[in-house]
Formats: sequence, C-alpha cells, structure tokens
Amino acid sequence: DAKTTQPTSMDCAEGRAANLPCNHSTISGNEYVYWYRQIHSQGPQYIIHGLKNNETNEMASLIITEDRKSSTLILPHATLRDTAVYYCTKTGANNLFFGTGTRLTVIP
Amino acid sequence: NAGVTQTPKFRILKIGQSMTLQCTQDMNHNYMYWYRQDPGMGLKLIYYSVGAGITDKGEVPNGYNVSRSTTEDFPLRLELAAPSQTSVYFCASSWGRQETQYFGPGTRLLVL
Repeated sequence: DAKTTQPTSMDCAEGRAANLPCNHSTISGNEYVYWYRQIHSQGPQYIIHGLKNNETNEMASLIITEDRKSSTLILPHATLRDTAVYYCTKTGANNLFFGTGTRLTVIP
Repeated sequence: NAGVTQTPKFRILKIGQSMTLQCTQDMNHNYMYWYRQDPGMGLKLIYYSVGAGITDKGEVPNGYNVSRSTTEDFPLRLELAAPSQTSVYFCASSWGRQETQYFGPGTRLLVL
C-alpha cells in the first residue's frame, strides 16, 4: 500500500523558518503533491501544491526532490498563527489521501 | 462567494436515529467529497461525486448514503446512527480530480 510519512510533531521558534518534510512511498508521474493545514478543528486550508518543480506563493515554498518521493514545505518566517496540523497529500484516483499530518507548534 | 457551507454545525443523535448532513458549494465545482475525521486522526474519504447524478464510494462508506441531484448540493445521509459514527464531518469541493480542494467548516456529530 502507498504510504505517506510525516513527523508527528515539530516545534519552531517564532520568526524562524519552519521546514516540514514529507515522504511518499510511491507517487505516479501525474500525481500532484499538495499541502494543507488545519487550525484547531476548522476545515483544512490549502497552502501550496506542485508536480515537479519547486513552487512559491505568498504563504510558503515547496521543494520537491527529483524522484518526487520527498517534499519539504517551508514557512519562511513562522508566526504564532502558523501553529496547526500540516498535511502532505498526493492526488489519488479521485481524492486526497490524508495521513495524520505534522503538528507544528510555533514557540514565542 | 460563500464557498462551501455545511449545516448543522453540531448535532447529538441517539443510537438508531437518522439524519442528513447538508453541504452546498457556490463555486460551480464538479467534484464534491465527504470526509470524516476522528479525534487525533487524519481525514478519511466517505463518498465523492464527479458531477450531478454520479457518486462513488470512498474508503469508509458503510453506514452512509449520498446523492447529487444538483451541482451545488451533496447531502450525506446517516441511517441507523451508531456510536462509531461520532466524528467531525467535512465536505469539500474542487474543479477537477487534480485541483485544489476547498473545505467547509465541518459538522460535529455525537452519537449516544
């Protein structure tokens, strides 16, 4: 079975960069890597996605390795409001496969 | 643009009761999804739809039913509620299979 692996939890000092890793045991050439986050019990919120190339938007940067099995989400200057659970997913047949994610705690 | 809306926000059901969780999106998205999230866990797909009149099972469909008569609405029906269905239910929608999913605020369901 395909498996997505993320650290259970991470801490980051406020103002520093948060680097969240993700590994997929398998990923097809046409499957996108997506990152979402969930603050408290709200609905997950889209952050960024990519196929092959590194991507950047106003929220974060995404680094994808050449074999595409690993990616890193970078929050360049973490704030207290970035404390959340971060999910790395890939687009499957018709849905996203969500694991348990990484609980990021930003420390003042 | 309200995005994805869900009602109710919270509900308590007795074992064996039935209810419908409502989900509406105003983005004209073709794809809609229902997920459940148990405490401390990730989301699991219950059912999804690729367009009006077309639905299919996800990872955990037992005990649930869906219908999609319009593009906007995708209700989830619980028949004979069981304690194992205590969870937070999220509805989502997207343009297409590989596109960003937009999530509603969730419905918290407690079955006693």
